[in-house]
Amino acid sequence: EVQLVQSGAEVKKPGESLKISCKGSGYSFTSYWIGWVRQMPGKGLEWMGIIYPGDSDTRYSPSFQGQVTISADKSISTAYLQWSSLKASDTAMYYCARHSYEVPFDYWGQGTLVTVSS
Amino acid sequence: QSALTQPASVSGSPGQSITISCTGTSSDVGGYNYVSWYQQHPGKAPKLMIYDVSNRPSGVSNRFSGSKSGNTASLTISGLQAEDEADYYCSSYTSSSVWVFGGGTKLTVL
Repeated sequence: EVQLVQSGAEVKKPGESLKISCKGSGYSFTSYWIGWVRQMPGKGLEWMGIIYPGDSDTRYSPSFQGQVTISADKSISTAYLQWSSLKASDTAMYYCARHSYEVPFDYWGQGTLVTVSS
Repeated sequence: QSALTQPASVSGSPGQSITISCTGTSSDVGGYNYVSWYQQHPGKAPKLMIYDVSNRPSGVSNRFSGSKSGNTASLTISGLQAEDEADYYCSSYTSSSVWVFGGGTKLTVL
């Protein structure tokens, strides 16, 4: 069974750094892309970027390029989304999802709620 | 990357059919057959309902169907049921080699 399990909710202050995770199981982790999606409170889905754990090829939406870093550690089947300096506007639910060009975002994690508040 | 355009809301009665549109440009929806649709119930993760314009993943009801004409894709739900009430998002591959979502449509089953 394909599963993506994300790390727990985080409460951070503006300016702090953060790295959240997404662990895949039940499939070949290095054969599919992993993507990240933002959903701000009461708002729609926003495509952030994807990474191919097999070779770490990464694509970012222009809206998120330079704002976040997507990485992966294939040895532990885990993808990451990180911020170096959080802003209040980063408060949102973040989802990871398995992705391929043929079947995009077919399996989703449960989401990680990030709250940034002073 | 501009979000694809969806109606904010649609509604229908049980048993009826509804269609949700998703309008982009020739650089996204119109240029590729990589349009997908997602259903999201409140407090839940999205669920893939349609991919590659009109393909249904295993386990998705055949009441859900997708199509595309020019720069506009459509999701049709036939035989509307109460459990179909949710938010629906379209997504498309783009000429920038990334994907983009639509703004989302809230479906109300009357």
